[in-house]
Amino acid sequence: GAVVSQHPSWVICKSGTSVKIECRSLDFQATTMFWYRQFPKQSLMLMATSNEGSKATYEQGVEKDKFLINHASLTLSTLTVTSAHPEDSSFYICSARQGGVQPQHFGDGTRLSIL
Amino acid sequence: AQTVTQSQPEMSVQEAETVTLSCTYDTSESDYYLFWYKQPPSRQMILVIRQEAYKQQNATENRFSVNFQKAAKSFSLKISDSQLGDAAMYFCAYRSALDGANSKLTFGKGITLSVRP
Repeated sequence: GAVVSQHPSWVICKSGTSVKIECRSLDFQATTMFWYRQFPKQSLMLMATSNEGSKATYEQGVEKDKFLINHASLTLSTLTVTSAHPEDSSFYICSARQGGVQPQHFGDGTRLSIL
Repeated sequence: AQTVTQSQPEMSVQEAETVTLSCTYDTSESDYYLFWYKQPPSRQMILVIRQEAYKQQNATENRFSVNFQKAAKSFSLKISDSQLGDAAMYFCAYRSALDGANSKLTFGKGITLSVRP
C-alpha cells in the first residue's frame, strides 16, 4: 500500500531554533499534502493544505510566518517551525493524497519538544 | 461547514466481545466520504474503513463494519471479536466529494477504546 515517510520522528531542540520536518510520498505522486498538529488525547487539527508548486493554504489562526510549508515536488513537502518556542511543542503529522478521490495516507508523525 | 461529533470520549470492551463506536455528522452535501481511523499508542494514523455516501451497502473490513444511516447522518463503527490490539483512539472523519484536490478531512474529537483481557 501507499507509504508516507515523515522525518524526523522525534526532535528536541533549544528555544529560538528552527526545525524542519520532511514528508515524502514513497510510491505515489502526492498532488496534495496536509499538515496537522495534535495535542495529547485530542483530535488532529489541520494547519495547512499544500499543492505541489503553489503556496500553501493555511487554516485560520495558523501563523504562516511561523510555520513555513514548502511543497516543491510531487513527493516532498516540508514544514519548518521557525524560531520555535516551548508552546510549539506538539505532535505534527503530515498526510498526502493523489488526486481528489484517492485515500489520504498519513506519516508516522514527529514529536517536537522545545526546551 | 461540516461537523463531526463523537460524543463518547471513552469506551471499554471485553476481549472477544463486540463494541460499537458512535459518530454523527452534519452536512448539507449529498456526495461525500466517511472514514474511521485508528490511532494506537504509537500514534500512527491507520485507516480502518471507508464509506462512500452514494453507496447504500454498509462497508465491511474483516472484523470491522459500519452502520451508515444517511438520513440520520449517523456512521457508527462495530468491532466484532475485539482483540487487545484494537485498543486505540478512534476518529470518525468526513470529507466532501465536491471540493476536488483540496477537499479536507474533518475529524471528530475521537474516542479512546480500551480492551479488557
